[in-house]
Parts: sequence; structure tokens; C-alpha cells
Amino acid sequence: AQSVTQLDSQVPVFEEAPVELRCNYSSSVSVYLFWYVQYPNQGLQLLLKYLSGSTLVKGINGFEAEFNKSQTSFHLRKPSVHISDTAEYFCAVSVDTGTASKLTFGTGTRLQVTL
Amino acid sequence: EPEVTQTPSHQVTQMGQEVILRCVPISNHLYFYWYRQILGQKVEFLVSFYNNEISEKSEIFDDQFSVERPDGSNFTLKIRSTKLEDSAMYFCASSRTISSNQPQHFGDGTRLSIL
Repeated sequence: AQSVTQLDSQVPVFEEAPVELRCNYSSSVSVYLFWYVQYPNQGLQLLLKYLSGSTLVKGINGFEAEFNKSQTSFHLRKPSVHISDTAEYFCAVSVDTGTASKLTFGTGTRLQVTL
Repeated sequence: EPEVTQTPSHQVTQMGQEVILRCVPISNHLYFYWYRQILGQKVEFLVSFYNNEISEKSEIFDDQFSVERPDGSNFTLKIRSTKLEDSAMYFCASSRTISSNQPQHFGDGTRLSIL
């Protein structure tokens, strides 16, 4: 079975500062990796995904993530955050099972951006 | 952009009562999912559904839970006899294909409060 670890439950950061949200996964087979964002009182919105190919993937709102197979990591980064980036961020994995594949989520990281 | 819609946004129910949560997936999607998020915890997979059958279910999805696609547009989650521990945010998601590299699109969720 696969699992996802997000070590940081909360990350406070000042506006315009860079940020990295960490994600590590565990799986015995190849995985697909996703980052979702959840704004207050809203559902989960896909930020970006890694399926194959280039290990650096770019997503919406200026976010990017880098897949590192040797370190089994998929950290999310943004060079300069905005107040509006305040939200909960979830890393998730899925694997090919031949059926409708579930997402396995991490516990989430709350990004708090302040002036 | 097409969205997954869920109703109601908030449901308050007495313990022991039945509750039905409703979802309208994106129209050309074929795979449907329910997840739940207990307050302060991670998003957990409940069940996946395709071609009028359950594809996979988690340990959480016991006999008190059921899913149905009663018509061409709705996808419902029924909890037969609710317990206090069923209080959570319930998310519906859908995806276009079976492949696990296809992102799942989430609704805004139904907050279920059991009294």
C-alpha cells in the first residue's frame, strides 16, 4: 500500500517570501503524484500533477513541484507567495490498479501568508 | 469550466437517522468517488464507482454505507444509521477515464454534523 507524509502541519510565511511545502511518499510500485489546494469552505482544487517525464512540473498560481525518485519526494515550491495563497495544501498519490484508482492523501499543510 | 456539484452544503442529522448526500459529477466523466475528511484529519478514500458497480471500497465503507447512481446525472452516498463519528466533510469526485494518471475533480463538499 502507498502512503504520503507531509511533515509540516503549518507553514507561516511573509508575503513575497519563497515557500516550500514538503511531501514524501512510500510505494512499492510506480506512482502518480498530485498537489491539491483547499481554500476555506471550498473543495479540493488540483494545483499540479506529476505523471512521467520532466521531474519539474509547473502548476497553477505560480506553483511548481519537483519529483525526486531517489528521495521519494515531491516538494511544492513558490518563489514569492501572496496573501491569497493562504490555504491548506494536500499531497496525494495514486497507482495503477486496473480499476478506478483512489487517491491517498497526506495530512495536509496549512500555509499561512501574512504581511 | 465544468464542476462537480454537491448538495446540501451542510447537513445536520440526529444520530441513528439516515442521510443521503448528493453529487452531480462532471457530465462526461465515468468514474466517481466519495472521500471524507474528519475535522483536523486527512482526506480519506471511501469508495469508487464505475458502470453501476463499486470498484473499490475502504475499510471505512462498511454495511451502513451505500452508493447509487439513480439516474444519468446524480451520484449519491447513503448512510443508513448515522453515528457521531460520521460527522465529517464528505467530498464527491469524478474522473473522465480509469487511468490513475487522470486527475480527479472534487466538489466543494457536504459538511455532515451528527447530533
